Amino acid sequence: AQSVTQLDSQVPVFEEAPVELRCNYSSSVSVYLFWYVQYPNQGLQLLLKYLSGSTLVKGINGFEAEFNKSQTSFHLRKPSVHISDTAEYFCAVSAPSGGYNKLIFGAGTRLAVHP
Amino acid sequence: SQTIHQWPATLVQPVGSPLSLECTVEGTSNPNLYWYRQAAGRGLQLLFYSVGIGQISSEVPQNLSASRPQDRQFILSSKKLLLSDSGFYLCAWSIAGDQPQHFGDGTRLSIL
Repeated sequence: AQSVTQLDSQVPVFEEAPVELRCNYSSSVSVYLFWYVQYPNQGLQLLLKYLSGSTLVKGINGFEAEFNKSQTSFHLRKPSVHISDTAEYFCAVSAPSGGYNKLIFGAGTRLAVHP
Repeated sequence: SQTIHQWPATLVQPVGSPLSLECTVEGTSNPNLYWYRQAAGRGLQLLFYSVGIGQISSEVPQNLSASRPQDRQFILSSKKLLLSDSGFYLCAWSIAGDQPQHFGDGTRLSIL
């Protein structure tokens, strides 16, 4: 069965510092991978997606992620964070289940950017 | 462009009362529709998904039910709410099961 592990529940970082949010997945088949961001009391917003092609994926708000098939990872990075990046970040994998594909979400990583 | 509407934004209900949360999608046809629950400080739990009118799949046994009376309308219901039903409920849609899901703004449900 497919699963997603976000290795850090919380990541504190200072403004303008780089950040990496880690995500590992397990799957016996080819997968599609996604990162979402959730601001307080809001729904989830798609940051970026990997469906095929280049393993380095660029998303909104200056974020990027790299798909590494051998390490089954899809880590999210940003070279310089802002206070406004403080939010919860979710990694997700598309997985077949019962004849349909569904998204399996990680437990989330809370990014706290400090001045 | 496609939009998703979810209401109400917040709801406070007594234990044992009924529930109806509504979600509608505009700008697309025959979307996949999803209901999730997010407990405080937790990840997302898929409750129901639907690939077409009248087709509902339940992910976990619970006190809730879902219906899809129209192509772009998805309703989450309960006959009698429990304290454990408190949480943040999110509706989402996608064009296919392996494609990105797009979320509504959520409903925060508090049970007293």
